[in-house]
Amino acid sequence: NAGVMQNPRHLVRRRGQEARLRCSPMKGHSHVYWYRQLPEEGLKFMVYLQKENIIDESGMPKERFSAEFPKEGPSILRIQQVVRGDSAAYFCASSPGTSRNIQYFGAGTRLSVL
Amino acid sequence: AQSVTQLGSHVSVSEGALVLLRCNYSSSVPPYLFWYVQYPNQGLQLLLKYTTGATLVKGINGFEAEFKKSETSFHLTKPSAHMSDAAEYFCAVSNNAGGTSYGKLTFGQGTILTVHP
Repeated sequence: NAGVMQNPRHLVRRRGQEARLRCSPMKGHSHVYWYRQLPEEGLKFMVYLQKENIIDESGMPKERFSAEFPKEGPSILRIQQVVRGDSAAYFCASSPGTSRNIQYFGAGTRLSVL
Repeated sequence: AQSVTQLGSHVSVSEGALVLLRCNYSSSVPPYLFWYVQYPNQGLQLLLKYTTGATLVKGINGFEAEFKKSETSFHLTKPSAHMSDAAEYFCAVSNNAGGTSYGKLTFGQGTILTVHP
């Protein structure tokens, strides 16, 4: 059973470009969480999604950030018009519906904004 | 609101020595508590968790943690450090009260463990 898959592992963007981060949850998992790890900081919750629904987006910046988890395909975290402050490691975690507090993490996408 | 405080951003021990990483939490509802480990350029791996029941929890790689409600603590210990334990460790809390925040993890700042030969 493959783990949580994130791609790309590393992403370089210039200021003003768009970044798309993908997350394929573990097989059978219908709950996805996104976290951001800024340099010298711990992980901060961004958004919690179930299939086709955003359940909690209280940690998402109000502008430029969006997330989706379609019926088919991976979850996508989209950052429009990136700025240098968006440079961070973005982690996705998934959990099965029956045990929502056990989250399994992917290896992360490290975004660098030039 | 929940919060986690990890005392000591860096801990250094000798190989074979006791490892003690401190974690205190704040939660208005009964918490679920977790320790994760992160190796360089990798994701987080679950070490152990406390949900309900026995307050002394054993995890992988010889680690264990004890939930002490009166002290609001969940310190991580290992009797004898190994070189391979060098990594960053994160304590996290989640509430079990349901609602839309159910399952959201709040992390501490992390503790980098260095193990000397």
